This record gives sequence, C-alpha cells and structure tokens, in this order.
Amino acid sequence: QVQLQESGPGLVKPSQTLSLTCTVSGVSISSGNYYWSWIRQPAGKGLEWLGRVYPSGSTNYSPSLKSRVTISIDTSRNQFSLKLNSVTAADTAVYFCARGLYSEGFTSHDPWGQGTLVIVSS
Amino acid sequence: QSVLTQPPSASGTPGQTVTISCSGSGSNIGSNTVNWYQQLPGTAPKLLIYGHNQRPSGVPDRFSGSKSGTSASLAISGLQSEDEADYYCAAWDDSLNGLNWLFGGGTKLTVL
Repeated sequence: QVQLQESGPGLVKPSQTLSLTCTVSGVSISSGNYYWSWIRQPAGKGLEWLGRVYPSGSTNYSPSLKSRVTISIDTSRNQFSLKLNSVTAADTAVYFCARGLYSEGFTSHDPWGQGTLVIVSS
Repeated sequence: QSVLTQPPSASGTPGQTVTISCSGSGSNIGSNTVNWYQQLPGTAPKLLIYGHNQRPSGVPDRFSGSKSGTSASLAISGLQSEDEADYYCAAWDDSLNGLNWLFGGGTKLTVL
C-alpha cells in the first residue's frame, strides 16, 4: 500500500522560506512510471498545483510560482521536498504531496498525503 | 480564480442523478484528459475518475465521466448520503504560459 506523509514546520514567518518533506512508503520513489507533486489548498478554497519532480531530478513548476518554488528528490531516503521562498500570508494553506502516475496512457495524482497546514504569520 | 470553471454547488436527493460540469479551453481539456477528485470533509482528495471515464479500483460504477470539446462532466447516479463532498476536475495545461496541472474551483455536493 502506497502512503505519503508530509512533514515540516506548521508556522513560517513572512519573507522566510517554507520547507516541507514528503516521505513515501510502499513503493520506491525511483520507480520509472511515477512523478511526485506538491499541491496546496488555502482554507475553504480550491486546489493549486505547485510543481513536480521526476526520479531523475527533472522538475516542472507552476508558471505563477516558478520564481519562488524549488522541488527536489532524495532517492536514498525515499523522500521529496518543497521549498517556497519569500512567503506571505497568501501562502497559508494545507500542503499536500501526491504521486503522479501514468496508467493506460493517462496521468493522474494518486494517492495523496493527508496534508499539512502551514500558517504564514509573524 | 481557477482556469477550469465548475459550479460552486450542486445538490440532489438520494437515488437521483447529479451532474457536475467543468469548463476549460483548448490548451487543457480540449487537448488533454480530465481527472476528477472527491474530497470528503477534512480529508485529502481521492482520485475518482481518470482519463475522462476510467475508474480506479474500488470506485463504484455510479460515478462516470465524459468529455466534449473543452468541457467535461462528472455524473453521479443513485446518489447516496456518503457522496456529500467537494468534487474537483483537473487537466494538464500546455499553453504558451508553461506546463501546468490545473484544477477547477471545486463543487460542493449536498445530498438533501
């Protein structure tokens, strides 16, 4: 059973860097048909994709956040990480990590971690 | 504001069929497949439909998806109280602005 678990500080000060890690269990993060995404959800609002990383280390980022986001992968620890710099209150959200997979020619996110709330406040 | 447009709310009574729409453009729904996610209160989203109308193992066949042009729909037949949740559509977008997964704003389904 594949499981993902987010971890990291729940409170970050404005202008600082938000750092989260997603620990994957039940599958090797190096498996070829997968990629690994970060997605966030402000309270009472919809979902926003931040970016993804492939086992090779190759990344794609949301155009609107590209200048502030870095996603990396550590295959030895079966983890991948998110860094979002210069945060403001608008970055307060529940942050989810999720596996992206290719199946039957289609791609989707499944499963997702339970999510972790990050509040940006002084 | 989400690029994929969904109605903010929908409702139905037990046993009814409810349809939720998702409207996009040529660079996302028009040229890529659509996924649907169900988010129960206080939980993470769960994949419901992928590839327009494929269901992961364990998802009842009461849930079905369709796509036409730059719009997609999720239909839930035989509505049950446990279907009360938020539903999100998603599609890959490959516009000139860059590569991006897009989500709809979500539709809150109420079972009356």
